[in-house]
Amino acid sequence: AQSVAQPEDQVNVAEGNPLTVKCTYSVSGNPYLFWYVQYPNRGLQFLLKYITGDNLVKGSYGFEAEFNKSQTSFHLKKPSALVSDSALYFCAVRPRLKGGSYIPTFGRGTSLIVHP
Amino acid sequence: DGGITQSPKYLFRKEGQNVTLSCEQNLNHDAMYWYRQDPGQGLRLIYYSQIVNDFQKGDIAEGYSVSREKKESFPLTVTSAQKNPTAFYLCASSMAGHQGTSYEQYFGPGTRLTVT
Repeated sequence: AQSVAQPEDQVNVAEGNPLTVKCTYSVSGNPYLFWYVQYPNRGLQFLLKYITGDNLVKGSYGFEAEFNKSQTSFHLKKPSALVSDSALYFCAVRPRLKGGSYIPTFGRGTSLIVHP
Repeated sequence: DGGITQSPKYLFRKEGQNVTLSCEQNLNHDAMYWYRQDPGQGLRLIYYSQIVNDFQKGDIAEGYSVSREKKESFPLTVTSAQKNPTAFYLCASSMAGHQGTSYEQYFGPGTRLTVT
C-alpha cells in the first residue's frame, strides 16, 4: 500500500524568508510525486511533479521540490516566501509499477502561513 | 481551475433528500474522480472512472452514486444513506487513467454541500 505523510499541519514563515513544506512517502518501486496548492474555497492547483532525472524539480510560482530517494522525501521549497503563498499544500504519490493502483494518494495537507 | 466546472458552488439540502453535484470537463481527459474534503482530513476518494460507462468505488463510496454516460461528464449523487454529507466536494480529471502514469490531476472549483 502507498502512503504519504506531511508531518506538519501548519508552517509559519516570515515574508522574504525561505520556506520548506515537508513530505515523505511509502510506495513500492519508484514513484511519481506531485505537489498541489489549494486556496480557500477553491479546487487544488497543480504545482510540480517528479517523474525522473534531476532530483530538483522546478514548478509554478517559483516553487521547487527536492526528491530524495534514500530518505523517501519530496519536500517543497521556495527561496523567498510571499504573503500570497499562504494556502494549503498537498503532496501526492502515484506508483510507477504496473499492478499497483494508479489512483494517487494524497497527504493530509499542510497549511502555510506567510507573515508580512 | 482549468477546464473543469462544478455546479453549484454552494448547495443546501434538507436531511433525507438526494442531491446531485455536477462535474463537466472539456479537457478530453479519460479519467475522472470525486473527492470529499473535510477539515484536517485531506482528500478522500469517493468514486473514479477510467472510461465512459465504467467506474469504481473509492475509499468512502457508501451513500454515494455516480454515472459516466459521457466522457466529459461525471455527476455525483449524494443519497439520503450518506450519514454525514456536509462537506466540500471536489471533482478532478486526468489523462489516461491507466496504471503507472505520470499525469497530474486537474481539479474543479468544488461544491460546498450543507445538509440540515
